[in-house]
Amino acid sequence: DAGVIQSPRHEVTEMGQEVTLRCKPISGHNSLFWYRQTMMRGLELLIYFNNNVPIDDSGMPEDRFSAKMPNASFSTLKIQPSEPRDSAVYFCASSSLTARDRVYGNTIYFGEGSWLTVV
Amino acid sequence: AQKVTQAQTEISVVEKEDVTLDCVYETRDTTYYLFWYKQPPSGELVFLIRRNSFDEQNEISGRYSWNFQKSTSSFNFTITASQVVDSAVYFCALSEGLGYALNFGKGTSLLVTP
Repeated sequence: DAGVIQSPRHEVTEMGQEVTLRCKPISGHNSLFWYRQTMMRGLELLIYFNNNVPIDDSGMPEDRFSAKMPNASFSTLKIQPSEPRDSAVYFCASSSLTARDRVYGNTIYFGEGSWLTVV
Repeated sequence: AQKVTQAQTEISVVEKEDVTLDCVYETRDTTYYLFWYKQPPSGELVFLIRRNSFDEQNEISGRYSWNFQKSTSSFNFTITASQVVDSAVYFCALSEGLGYALNFGKGTSLLVTP
C-alpha cells in the first residue's frame, strides 16, 4: 500500500505569497492530521479531521492558516499570506480504527513532510 | 492537560553500547495510548511501538525494548548493542483516546559513533 503522500516536498516562497500544501492519506484511513515541526517548538498539532470533519483546530496559529478536507482522499493546508516564521516542516498523517486499534490504540502514519521556507 | 517529557535532549554513545531513552508523561485520563517514533536524518517519522494504558507488559523487538510503568508514568525505550544506523531523533507521544491526535515530547537526539 502507498503511504501518506504529501506535495510539494520542498517549497521556497517569498513572504506574502500564498502557499498550499497537499496531502493524500492512506486509502481507507478515516483520520487525518496536520503537524508542524520546528526546532523551537518541536512537533505541534495544527488540526485534525475525523471522517472529513475538523475535530480540533486549536493548534492553527492564526487566521492566515486554513485547512480543508473535501473528501476522504485529499486535504490541503493553506497559508495566506505566508511569513518567514512559517518556515517549518509540515507533516500530514493519517490513521484508521481497526479491530486491533480499538484495543491497542490507533497508529498514526506520517508522510515524508513538506519542507517550507519563506524568505 | 496532557504532557510528555523527554528530559534527555541529546545522547551520544559508542557503537555496541546500550542506551535508554526516557519518557515521562502526564494525563488525567484512565485510558490512554503511548507511542515511540523514530526520525532518522532523512526526516520521515517512523512508527516503532504503541502501548495502551491497560497493558503494562514490557515488549522486546530485536535490539529494542520498552518498559512501561504506570506507577511512575514512564515509558522508557532501550536500544541494546546500539548501531550507527540507530542515530536519529526519537519521539515519545501520548494519545488520550481512539481517533485523537498525538501529543509529542520534544524528542531525544541519539548519536551513535563507530
